[in-house]
Amino acid sequence: DQQVKQNSPSLSVQEGRISILNCDYTNSMFDYFLWYKKYPAEGPTFLISISSIKDKNEDGRFTVFLNKSAKHLSLHIVPSQPGDSAVYFCAASALTSGTYKYIFGTGTRLKVLA
Amino acid sequence: DGGITQSPKYLFRKEGQNVTLSCEQNLNHDAMYWYRQDPGQGLRLIYYSQIVNDFQKGDIAEGYSVSREKKESFPLTVTSAQKNPTAFYLCASSPRGTYTEAFFGQGTRLTVV
Repeated sequence: DQQVKQNSPSLSVQEGRISILNCDYTNSMFDYFLWYKKYPAEGPTFLISISSIKDKNEDGRFTVFLNKSAKHLSLHIVPSQPGDSAVYFCAASALTSGTYKYIFGTGTRLKVLA
Repeated sequence: DGGITQSPKYLFRKEGQNVTLSCEQNLNHDAMYWYRQDPGQGLRLIYYSQIVNDFQKGDIAEGYSVSREKKESFPLTVTSAQKNPTAFYLCASSPRGTYTEAFFGQGTRLTVV
């Protein structure tokens, strides 16, 4: 049973517009949520995160929103740029004995059209 | 330069052979992880280790084994019992403490023929 779900396998957006990537989770014990960006044949790179005590975190063009009651988080990219084209993974985690176990979604492939 | 090194980048093995993937980190992180990526299935957790000489099974541990004899090293062995070993394998590490992210290596593409 998948605890972290990204229901949109792909998304296409025009350059300069907003990209919204969505993620749902089922385990209410998760208290830390992360977004990673990944290019083919490379390791994921960390993008932005949010803890369960917040509902919004912003870093430049990237903003993550967390709705705990709906068990839903989203990543907004504004404005979108062609270099943002990649696969985006959301991850959720809970602290266990001082370290995290990260559970990832299936990813959303974002294509930003010039 | 601190980071996580996975070697080799590409690996080919014959069916029925065990193969060991290397993962080394010089970030002084306590926790280390192994994930597998298959098309359309995201990153699935194979094994993780929170401390030297200790490790736990992830969601898809069958057919794999690990060891954690040193803090900086977490090798993964893909055994002949793994039914579909061809995949992209990713190693990661993270420090102890709250609200920390995992750092990933560049991955190893394993192809079993």
